[in-house]
Amino acid sequence: SQTIHQWPATLVQPVGSPLSLECTVEGTSNPNLYWYRQAAGRGLQLLFYSVGIGQISSEVPQNLSASRPQDRQFILSSKKLLLSDSGFYLCASGTGGLNTGELFFGEGSRLTVL
Amino acid sequence: GENVEQHPSTLSVQEGDSAVIKCTYSDSASNYFPWYKQELGKRPQLIIDIRSNVGEKKDQRIAVTLNKTAKHFSLHITETQPEDSAVYFCAQGSWGKFQFGAGTQVVVTP
Repeated sequence: SQTIHQWPATLVQPVGSPLSLECTVEGTSNPNLYWYRQAAGRGLQLLFYSVGIGQISSEVPQNLSASRPQDRQFILSSKKLLLSDSGFYLCASGTGGLNTGELFFGEGSRLTVL
Repeated sequence: GENVEQHPSTLSVQEGDSAVIKCTYSDSASNYFPWYKQELGKRPQLIIDIRSNVGEKKDQRIAVTLNKTAKHFSLHITETQPEDSAVYFCAQGSWGKFQFGAGTQVVVTP
């Protein structure tokens, strides 16, 4: 099965500072990759998903961006964090097309913006 | 857009009783319906899933039923135990995209 590495696990950032969360995947090739945000311990909001290198789809307008420089690497960034960016960020990997199946999640990154 | 509605938002059951969580969806093209369990502070993990060509699937104390005509699917947990306490999410998947329900907080009391 797939293994999702995600870091950092926890970070506290001031408003207006930049952000970079990184995710790498083992055990598969050419996966679909996803960034989800979970606020207040409930609800998974899809932020970005990618079907291949350099291909990013944004699901919600915000001050975040994502990049996929390599097949199994997915990065979530921000130039200037807002208070509302606080939350639990989850990277996920899965298969698409007709074979859509299990999403494998990373351990998550808990972001607190002060 | 495609939505998944999940009920109830909170469910308290006594140990040994059954728990049922229901979800409805709107995207008729969905062909994959997973259920995830998330313990406090941890990542969601798949507990059971079902595809659209199957009406029911069971794995020990957990079962999922799917009614494609009515566009709803349900999770059944029998003989609940304290370790079943967690948040459970239903989801619908199609062509690599997923819509998640809002989650159900299940509390199993001894």
